[in-house]
Parts: sequence; structure tokens; C-alpha cells
Amino acid sequence: DQQVKQNSPSLSVQEGRISILNCDYTNSMFDYFLWYKKYPAEGPTFLISISSIKDKNEDGRFTVFLNKSAKHLSLHIVPSQPGDSAVYFCAASEGTGGFKTIFGAGTRLFVKA
Amino acid sequence: NAGVTQTPKFRVLKTGQSMTLLCAQDMNHEYMYWYRQDPGMGLRLIHYSVGEGTTAKGEVPDGYNVSRLKKQNFLLGLESAAPSQTSVYFCASRKANYGYTFGSGTRLTVV
Repeated sequence: DQQVKQNSPSLSVQEGRISILNCDYTNSMFDYFLWYKKYPAEGPTFLISISSIKDKNEDGRFTVFLNKSAKHLSLHIVPSQPGDSAVYFCAASEGTGGFKTIFGAGTRLFVKA
Repeated sequence: NAGVTQTPKFRVLKTGQSMTLLCAQDMNHEYMYWYRQDPGMGLRLIHYSVGEGTTAKGEVPDGYNVSRLKKQNFLLGLESAAPSQTSVYFCASRKANYGYTFGSGTRLTVV
């Protein structure tokens, strides 16, 4: 049973538009959430995170929204750029010092020029 | 600053063969992890270590063993490889309250 779900395997967006990647979780003990970005033949790299005490965190073009009651988070990329084309993994853990993090299956984003 | 280095990058094994994947980090991180990535499954934790000399099982530990004899190294062993172990393996390290730093992965094929 997947505790972190990314139900869209892929997403295609036009350059300059908004990309919205979604993630759902089932474990109510999760209180720290992260997004990782992965290019082919490379390891995932940390993108942005959010603690459950917040409902929004912004870093440049990237914003993560957290809806605790719905157990849902989303990553918004505005404006989308061709270099954003990658696989995005949502991840969740119990606290920032948790020994392990549960990852979703990933969403492949294509940004068309 | 090399970060997390995995060797080898590619390997093809025959069923029943054994091999060891090496992960080395130069950031003095306490925690180290081995994940496998399979299509539609995301990253699944195999084993992890919270410090030198300690290891623990993750979500999918069967068929794998690990050792952390030195703080900077985390080895993943396959004693008798099976086709189900065909995957991309990622090592990661972190210190408490920080995100993961991943290696670039090892693509393993078992035929």
C-alpha cells in the first residue's frame, strides 16, 4: 500500500505556463514533505520542502502548497521552462530528523518550447 | 567536493552471481541509505544506516545485505542475484534535519 501517491505519471505543459504536480499521502503522522527533481542518468536533487505547520512555501518559481485536512500537496512551477523537464518525486517523513522518507512514484514533466 | 559517489555505474550479472555496490560520501554525514527505483514504484528503501557500524532494514531488504564499517562508506551486497533485482540503485546520505544528497545511480541488469 503506497503511503505517498502521485497519480499522474506524466504531465505536458507549454513553456511560460504553470505546471501543477500533485501528491497525496495516507499517513497522518507525516509532517514534513519534500519535492525532488531528477534528470535522466542523475540522482534526485532536493527542490523544496514544507513543514506541516505551514500551508505554503515559496522559492523563486517553485511553490509548494499543503492541505493537511485533504492529505494533499502540490508543487506549482511558474513560469515553466524547458529546463524544468524532469521527473519530480514527492516525499514525506515523520519530522525532519526522521530516519527514512517515503517517496512517491514520480511524475514526468514535459515543458514544450 | 564530490558529494555521494557510487561505483559501478552499470553492471550486468548472471542469475546467481554476487556483487557489491559501493557508496562513498565526503560530507561527514551520519545517515546513509540504499534505494532502488523501478518503473511506477518510485524510490523504495532497501537498507539504511544511522551511523558507523549500524544498519537497519527498510521496505524491501530481502536478497540484500549491507555494511557500514567506515562512516564514509555504505556497501550494498547481492549474494545471489535474481532477475527481480534488475533496477536502478541509488545511494543517499544526509545529516539530521537536512534533505538527502543522492548519488548518480547504478543501473543493474540481472539476466
